[in-house]
Amino acid sequence: DAKTTQPPSMDCAEGRAANLPCNHSTISGNEYVYWYRQIHSQGPQYIIHGLKNNETNEMASLIITEDRKSSTLILPHATLRDTAVYYCIVKGGGGADGLTFGKGTHLIIQP
Amino acid sequence: ETGVTQTPRHLVMGMTNKKSLKCEQHLGHNAMYWYKQSAKKPLELMFVYSLEERVENNSVPSRFSPECPNSSHLFLHLHTLQPEDSALYLCASSQVGADNSPLHFGNGTRLTVT
Repeated sequence: DAKTTQPPSMDCAEGRAANLPCNHSTISGNEYVYWYRQIHSQGPQYIIHGLKNNETNEMASLIITEDRKSSTLILPHATLRDTAVYYCIVKGGGGADGLTFGKGTHLIIQP
Repeated sequence: ETGVTQTPRHLVMGMTNKKSLKCEQHLGHNAMYWYKQSAKKPLELMFVYSLEERVENNSVPSRFSPECPNSSHLFLHLHTLQPEDSALYLCASSQVGADNSPLHFGNGTRLTVT
């Protein structure tokens, strides 16, 4: 699976949009981009995933560049409860080989 | 409330004890996973079961022994652990064969080995 690069930490003001970047320049054509977040002492929570089109759900939007080498997770109106570590993961296929987690981005929402 | 339930939430055990962690998924998935998360380290994949067959064992010491009696239940049997095995143990499930099925995680068991 392709490697991803994320900033170690970011701040965002409450009520503003939080934009979390991820680079995955070696992504292959069949690999999806997944985003998870982990609030302290809980299990990772699935947020959203996509292949090449932009995706939106009730939690967030995922913007993938046309060349698919990077993506941005957008939390449109950040709240204090969005403070967490956010993981960007690239994985292909539907096999049972799990997800490889990196260090992620620690997003801190400031009141 | 998640579709993946882990018990107990917290466990303290001595190095000579034997204990088991339990995971149950209510999502109809056919693959289950054990992950370990030590303090300030990324999640590490330990074991994978697909259709109740173990398909991955990432060089995990034999003092950790998984068991998957059916597609909804997963256990991690622990014996003669070391203090460095203290960590958050996370269970996850997914649907193998669905091309982009995400993993769904439980909230973990916080294990302390004394």
